[in-house]
Amino acid sequence: DAGVIQSPRHEVTEMGQEVTLRCKPISGHNSLFWYRQTMMRGLELLIYFNNNVPIDDSGMPEDRFSAKMPNASFSTLKIQPSEPRDSAVYFCASTSTPTSSYEQYFGPGTRLTVT
Amino acid sequence: AQSVTQLDSQVPVFEEAPVELRCNYSSSVSVYLFWYVQYPNQGLQLLLKYLSGSTLVESINGFEAEFNKSQTSFHLRKPSVHISDTAEYFCAVTLTTSGTYKYIFGTGTRLKVLA
Repeated sequence: DAGVIQSPRHEVTEMGQEVTLRCKPISGHNSLFWYRQTMMRGLELLIYFNNNVPIDDSGMPEDRFSAKMPNASFSTLKIQPSEPRDSAVYFCASTSTPTSSYEQYFGPGTRLTVT
Repeated sequence: AQSVTQLDSQVPVFEEAPVELRCNYSSSVSVYLFWYVQYPNQGLQLLLKYLSGSTLVESINGFEAEFNKSQTSFHLRKPSVHISDTAEYFCAVTLTTSGTYKYIFGTGTRLKVLA
């Protein structure tokens, strides 16, 4: 298995532009998580889906952020408009639920820089 | 509310010396506990976990952690570290909701192994 796939790996954009991050979970996994990592705030859970349905989006910072999961093999995280404070590494992770292992599998991340 | 505390943001240690990375959690219910490792420019990988049974759990690369319910701790130890152990280590607990679960992560501890 290729693992969790994220694209792009790096994104540099100007303030005010729309940014779309993409994630393909491991085949067969039915839960997907979006995280944001910064030096100041550490690793934050933004939103997670189960069977393509958003379960908890309480970590989404504001209305500029939105996430979708149109099918079991694809999810997007969109920031519109982007701001310099959105600069971070964004990780996607997937797992199966119910589960006996409780292990999440992380993608390599997308490093976003907003200038 | 559940929370995870990693008191040490950075731990420098010489190669072949022992190390302990501390993790304390607060929860009013039973929890599952995890340590994840993040190498530079990579996503997180599961290092070890406690779900039930023996309170001492081990990883394949020599790390171990002990679940201590009375002290609400899950400290990570290694008797002799290698340069290659240099990474950031995250402690996490699970929070279950409606048949799914999410992690509550600590802020991470950067382990720097010195030659």
